[in-house]
Amino acid sequence: EPEVTQTPSHQVTQMGQEVILRCVPISNHLYFYWYRQILGQKVEFLVSFYNNEISEKSEIFDDQFSVERPDGSNFTLKIRSTKLEDSAMYFCASNPGQGIYEQYFGPGTRLTVT
Amino acid sequence: QQQVKQSPQSLIVQKGGISIINCAYENTAFDYFPWYQQFPGKGPALLIAIRPDVSEKKEGRFTISFNKSAKQFSLHILDSQPGDSATYFCAAYNTNAGKSTFGDGTTLTVKP
Repeated sequence: EPEVTQTPSHQVTQMGQEVILRCVPISNHLYFYWYRQILGQKVEFLVSFYNNEISEKSEIFDDQFSVERPDGSNFTLKIRSTKLEDSAMYFCASNPGQGIYEQYFGPGTRLTVT
Repeated sequence: QQQVKQSPQSLIVQKGGISIINCAYENTAFDYFPWYQQFPGKGPALLIAIRPDVSEKKEGRFTISFNKSAKQFSLHILDSQPGDSATYFCAAYNTNAGKSTFGDGTTLTVKP
């Protein structure tokens, strides 16, 4: 069964450093998403991406964040200058579109900012 | 208006019992309501979802009840099993905006 994959599974970085989290959505899916989950808290929407552009973003997704689909398979989330409060699990998700709204989540990347 | 309120925060049920988790939303632009199951260290997995044009959807032991006028929906797990022990999140999705709002989650423990 196709699945969303994410790399790395765990990323440790120092405050102020740039990180890039990578995702490979399910092939032929059209909509892509990033969410974050601070330990023990709820899942928070960051951004949705369709047709090579951001379709919606939350107030969390400020200028420090960017997303990109550099080729036909990868979908990345970049945090330019990490802060301690960026420490969280980051989940990528995708859905097929065309009236199908089920989102399929990846296993997540645990980001630890020290 | 973007909030989704979920209750209870935690729930303990005996094996074979019924687990009920409730959610309420405010924004009438939401038009798709999924429930996710999450095990520790894993990503959320879609369990069941409903559109607002139906009042109930059943898949196996899992049922969503939806009350459009009250802007509430709930998940019922029949014959709860220890393997159902997980965190459950409701969500509300605005399909036009492509944005999901999640509830705070309910930690379900099913005792053998």
